[in-house]
Amino acid sequence: QVQLVQSGAEVKKPGASVKVSCKGSGYTFTSYGISWVRQAPGEGLEWMGWISTYSGDTNYAQRLQGRVTMTTDASTSTAYMELRSLRSDDTAVYHCAREYGGTLDYWGQGTLVTVSS
Amino acid sequence: DIVMTQSPDSLAVSLGERATINCKSSQSVLHSSNNKNCLAWYQQKPGQPPKLLIYWASTRESGVPDRFSGSGSGTDFTLTISSLQAEDVAVYYCQQCYSTLWTFGQGTKVEVK
Repeated sequence: QVQLVQSGAEVKKPGASVKVSCKGSGYTFTSYGISWVRQAPGEGLEWMGWISTYSGDTNYAQRLQGRVTMTTDASTSTAYMELRSLRSDDTAVYHCAREYGGTLDYWGQGTLVTVSS
Repeated sequence: DIVMTQSPDSLAVSLGERATINCKSSQSVLHSSNNKNCLAWYQQKPGQPPKLLIYWASTRESGVPDRFSGSGSGTDFTLTISSLQAEDVAVYYCQQCYSTLWTFGQGTKVEVK
């Protein structure tokens, strides 16, 4: 069965960086893209960006440009999302999701990133 | 960016009654190449990741009950729950994938009246 398993919760100080991993299994990893979506406490879903697991091409949300980097490692079927210069409003649950044709059909369990001094 | 606006922000419906959620995009999300709208609907229950319900505006994902249906084209879309069940209490989001920068609506909370 298709699964996306994410790394564990993180607590970071303002200005630091965080790198979240997302390991896919149960399907051919490079046949689907990966998107990252975050959700601040009590808020809605915010699309962060997308990466082609085949070519490494990326698209990032404009408001995160310059602070976010998405990468993949096909040899381990793992996608990564790094967010730099963390601020308190980056506190959120970060989800990875498998993408095909613009649709997000399987989601990871989410990783809580808390930014606090 | 394409802005997705849902209405209402919340609604309360009696069990067995119809629930209707609207989603409006700031520009058309209809692909002229294949005549398909790049618009999906997701359901999110507390403490869970979102679940895909509908894609291409009206195609139900495998395993989704047929009381869920999607309609609309261009800029105006609707998610309908034909007969609300207790397990349908959740927040529902629309999402466009027409542009290279995807966006979600703000969400609509569905409760039992």
